[in-house]
Amino acid sequence: EPEVTQTPSHQVTQMGQEVILRCVPISNHLYFYWYRQILGQKVEFLVSFYNNEISEKSEIFDDQFSVERPDGSNFTLKIRSTKLEDSAMYFCASSEAADRGYGYTFGSGTRLTVV
Amino acid sequence: QKEVEQDPGPLSVPEGAIVSLNCTYSNSAFQYFMWYRQYSRKGPELLMYTYSSGNKEDGRFTAQVDKSSKYISLFIRDSQPSDSATYLCAMKGASASKIIFGSGTRLSIRP
Repeated sequence: EPEVTQTPSHQVTQMGQEVILRCVPISNHLYFYWYRQILGQKVEFLVSFYNNEISEKSEIFDDQFSVERPDGSNFTLKIRSTKLEDSAMYFCASSEAADRGYGYTFGSGTRLTVV
Repeated sequence: QKEVEQDPGPLSVPEGAIVSLNCTYSNSAFQYFMWYRQYSRKGPELLMYTYSSGNKEDGRFTAQVDKSSKYISLFIRDSQPSDSATYLCAMKGASASKIIFGSGTRLSIRP
């Protein structure tokens, strides 16, 4: 069964450093997403991406964050100048279409720890 | 009022019991309703999906949506220890791309 692959599974970084979280979406999917889950809290939407541009973003997704599809297979989330409160699980997801609720496949996540 | 509310539990039931999980919501624009299962340190996995009001059954799982009451439910029949996980309700508007999740209910099935 096709899956969304995320690397690394765990990333530890010092406060103020930049991190790049990587995702390989399912190959025929056109819509890509990042969500995050702070420990003990709900899964929160960060951003959706389609046709090489952001289609929707949340209040959390400020200038500290950026996304990119640098080639035909990868989808990245960059976090600049990390803060302690950025520590969370970050999930990438992809889907064939954005207008339905099904068909979203989530990766296993990257655990980001900012120290 | 939170957009999606879900009792975090934990909920512990004996094997074979019927489990009822619920969420309420406030946004009448939601049209798509989903239940995800999440194991520890894993990503959410889609279990059930319903469009608008009504019931949907898949094996031991039944999802119900009552838009008039802004209330959704997931029933698990003949619960198994392998059903032990956190269950997340999730919702989406017709034109939005983002999914709004509930906080999740931690479920434990005792053998």
